[in-house]
Amino acid sequence: ETGVTQSPTHLIKTRGQQVTLRCSSQSGHNTVSWYQQALGQGPQFIFQYYREEENGRGNFPPRFSGLQFPNYSSELNVNALELDDSALYLCAIMEGITGANVLTFGAGSRLTVL
Amino acid sequence: EDQVTQSPEALRLQEGESSSLNCSYTVSGLRGLFWYRQDPGKGPEFLFTLYSAGEEKEKERLKATLTKKESFLHITAPKPEDSATYLCAVNPAGTYKYIFGTGTRLKVLA
Repeated sequence: ETGVTQSPTHLIKTRGQQVTLRCSSQSGHNTVSWYQQALGQGPQFIFQYYREEENGRGNFPPRFSGLQFPNYSSELNVNALELDDSALYLCAIMEGITGANVLTFGAGSRLTVL
Repeated sequence: EDQVTQSPEALRLQEGESSSLNCSYTVSGLRGLFWYRQDPGKGPEFLFTLYSAGEEKEKERLKATLTKKESFLHITAPKPEDSATYLCAVNPAGTYKYIFGTGTRLKVLA
């Protein structure tokens, strides 16, 4: 087990709806990142939160937004869902190992948009 | 533009047949190069971090190497349980963003 828990594991939405995905870690890491992984592709960086503030963002529109809470759990919100939003959404915490910053991922939330 | 390209896209090996996966990268400054293993329906699992050209890391049947332009993941005498998608990622200097390749889908046949 990675210690990163994501919910829900699977969900189905229709185009135009909104979705909230959740992430928590056992040790309460203060840095959390979200990635989108379309089928057959590598993960793509959405954004990162550090101590409740967004401090980095990839090429995703504003309808992708997030929150990080004082206990360092996090949410990813997607508004006005489009068919292309169908993907595995991964939450990751950053862990230092002898100076490195390794991303440790959760199992992901599989979103299907119909 | 920072970029990661992996090859081949898919690879089928017989059990015990050694091979190598390639990860070519272009990055303005490299903080680290990472290899991950991903099983179907699961999140990526960390394997190795490499920092500078000439560095090598080993774990069981896997060995990762790094040059200034590419990394190789060598798989020696693979077993069916090594079947997975192997992802390569770079962390450019000055950012916490990780840029992933599309992965190599490895299938090891018994």
